[in-house]
Amino acid sequence: EVQLVESGGGLVQPGGSLRLSCAASGFTFSDHYMDWVRQAPGKGLEWVGRIRKKPNGYTTEYAASVKGRFTISRDDSINSLSLQMNTLRTEDTAVYYCARSGSFYRMDVWGQGTTVTVSS
Amino acid sequence: DIQMTQSPSTLSASVGDRVTITCRASQNINSRLAWYQQKPGNAPKVLIYQVSTLESGVPSRFSGSGSGTEFTLTISSLQPDDFATYYCQQYNDYPITFGQGTRLEIK
Repeated sequence: EVQLVESGGGLVQPGGSLRLSCAASGFTFSDHYMDWVRQAPGKGLEWVGRIRKKPNGYTTEYAASVKGRFTISRDDSINSLSLQMNTLRTEDTAVYYCARSGSFYRMDVWGQGTTVTVSS
Repeated sequence: DIQMTQSPSTLSASVGDRVTITCRASQNINSRLAWYQQKPGNAPKVLIYQVSTLESGVPSRFSGSGSGTEFTLTISSLQPDDFATYYCQQYNDYPITFGQGTRLEIK
C-alpha cells in the first residue's frame, strides 16, 4: 500500500524549533519530488516547499513565508522526508501534510497530517 | 506569485444537481492546473490534473475544463459523498499556489 505517515508535531513556543518527519512506503521514494503543504485552523491549503530527487540535485523551493526559516531534506536510503522548522511564529500553527509529487507534478499521495501549534 | 481565485466561496446544492466551480489564475498557467477535494479532518485528494485528466479511481461525474487563465470543475450529478471543500492549484511556477477553496454544502 502506498503510504505517507507524518510525525513530530506538537506544541512549541514562538521562536522555537521543531522537526517533522514523513515516512514513505509502498513506492519508490527516490523517484519522486516531495512536498510539504500546511493548513492553518479553519483556513485553506498553503504550499510550504518542495524537494526534488537526486538527478535534479535534491534542490529545494520554498514559499516566501517560510524561506530562510524552514529546511526540507530527504534520505532516500530510509524513504524519509523531513521539515526542519526554526524561528517558529504563531502564524506557523497548522496541520502539516507531506505529499508525493506524481507525474505532471500533481500531489497524488498525501499523509494524514501532523499538527504543529506555536503558542506561549 | 500566481494568484488563484475560486468562485463561489460557498455553494449550496442538492443531490442530483449539476454544479460548476470556477478558478481564475492571475496569469497563464499553461494547463498546469489540478483540483483537490478535502473532507473535514482528512487530507486533500487529487481529482483532476492537467486541467482535465481524471485521477485514477475518481468517478466520471467529475470533469475539468478550461485554458489560459480560466478553469472549471464540474460535477454532473451530485452524490452525498461529494459534499466537501474543493481547491484548485497551479503548478506552473513557484510558489505553487492554491485557490481559497469552495465549500460545497447540502441545500
